[in-house]
Amino acid sequence: DTGVSQNPRHKITKRGQNVTFRCDPISEHNRLYWYRQTLGQGPEFLTYFQNEAQLEKSRLLSDRFSAERPKGSFSTLEIQRTEQGDSAMYLCASSLGQALLETQYFGPGTRLLVL
Amino acid sequence: AQTVTQSQPEMSVQEAETVTLSCTYDTSESDYYLFWYKQPPSRQMILVIRQEAYKQQNATENRFSVNFQKAAKSFSLKISDSQLGDAAMYFCAYRSSISSGSARQLTFGSGTQLTVLP
Repeated sequence: DTGVSQNPRHKITKRGQNVTFRCDPISEHNRLYWYRQTLGQGPEFLTYFQNEAQLEKSRLLSDRFSAERPKGSFSTLEIQRTEQGDSAMYLCASSLGQALLETQYFGPGTRLLVL
Repeated sequence: AQTVTQSQPEMSVQEAETVTLSCTYDTSESDYYLFWYKQPPSRQMILVIRQEAYKQQNATENRFSVNFQKAAKSFSLKISDSQLGDAAMYFCAYRSSISSGSARQLTFGSGTQLTVLP
């Protein structure tokens, strides 16, 4: 069990550019979550996958955001035409959803700065 | 929609002493799960302790314990024998027990920054 990994750990981009983040969940975890955390705040839910199916999207996830989880393994989160308001920490979490008391395990996050 | 409130943005405790972090939540559901996560500086969030709402007994994990008051919708975290390594941001989180796609997400409070003084 190597834990949830995220790449890159830091990303600086200019406004209007596209960025893509990757999350590798704990192996055999069928559920994967994306959250966004701004400075001094708790994480806010963005979207959730069960295997390869994207089952829920928050209204925070504008049409500039897209997430995929091909083959139910790793996931990518892409932000198109970045805005300064997109600057935040993007957290990925995974869980094994075989019981109601599932626990989400978090990755280290990708910190995005949009200039 | 559920909300989670942490009214203490910052707390400090002397090493080896005990500290209690507060959390209240609002929900219309009768069954749910509550969590405390710890986020050290520049490090990933880790689970500290969890509580099922249907259980009356308060959860305990070594030096960490909770005081779960369901009627008051309160879920405080007590850290005993505080250590320097306990310094971190602590988040309280809520999750519904409903088995539907939208119910799997965690709803977090705004966090409490804990400083441990040597």
